[in-house]
Amino acid sequence: AQSVTQPDIHITVSEGASLELRCNYSYGATPYLFWYVQSPGQGLQLLLKYFSGDTLVQGIKGFEAEFKRSQSSFNLRKPSVHWSDAAEYFCAVYTGGFKTIFGAGTRLFVKA
Amino acid sequence: DADVTQTPRNRITKTGKRIMLECSQTKGHDRMYWYRQDPGLGLRLIYYSFDVKDINKGEISDGYSVSRQAQAKFSLSLESAIPNQTALYFCATSDSGTGEEYEQYFGPGTRLTVT
Repeated sequence: AQSVTQPDIHITVSEGASLELRCNYSYGATPYLFWYVQSPGQGLQLLLKYFSGDTLVQGIKGFEAEFKRSQSSFNLRKPSVHWSDAAEYFCAVYTGGFKTIFGAGTRLFVKA
Repeated sequence: DADVTQTPRNRITKTGKRIMLECSQTKGHDRMYWYRQDPGLGLRLIYYSFDVKDINKGEISDGYSVSRQAQAKFSLSLESAIPNQTALYFCATSDSGTGEEYEQYFGPGTRLTVT
């Protein structure tokens, strides 16, 4: 079955520390992968996407993600977290036609 | 102005009441979607529409109906609200004309509480 798993429900990091949010997917074909961020009271905003080519993709707000086919993973990273990064992050896979499957989300807390 | 707007932003209603959530977009996109978000479950697709005359059920359409009044407007109705429809509802759009129909743009959400 097609699915997206975000193993961490919430993560707390100190401001200035590095961040990695995990995402694993289950999909038979080459996936189109996305990371979205949802700030409080806001809709989802696209951070970055992967379709093909370079497996390390850069996004907005200093985020990057690496696609690893062998591990069926698409982890999101940021070298230095800012307090404004506190939000909920969703990994998603587009399976064609109309369907995008979203993970359950990881809530990021940033401590001073 | 926001490209995808939703009204109302918050709504409290009673069990059995009919309620409509509205979505408008100025992006000129042909495709529109309704999702609900529940804690720990991510976003689940309720209905989607590829154009004004094309409306399709998503994975959790029971208890919901939709209307695509124009290319820019897509409404979600709960005919008889029940408490387990309490959730955050998102409208989204995408554009098949660019070949990037997989990239969705979301509204700010409507928080619905059914008591």
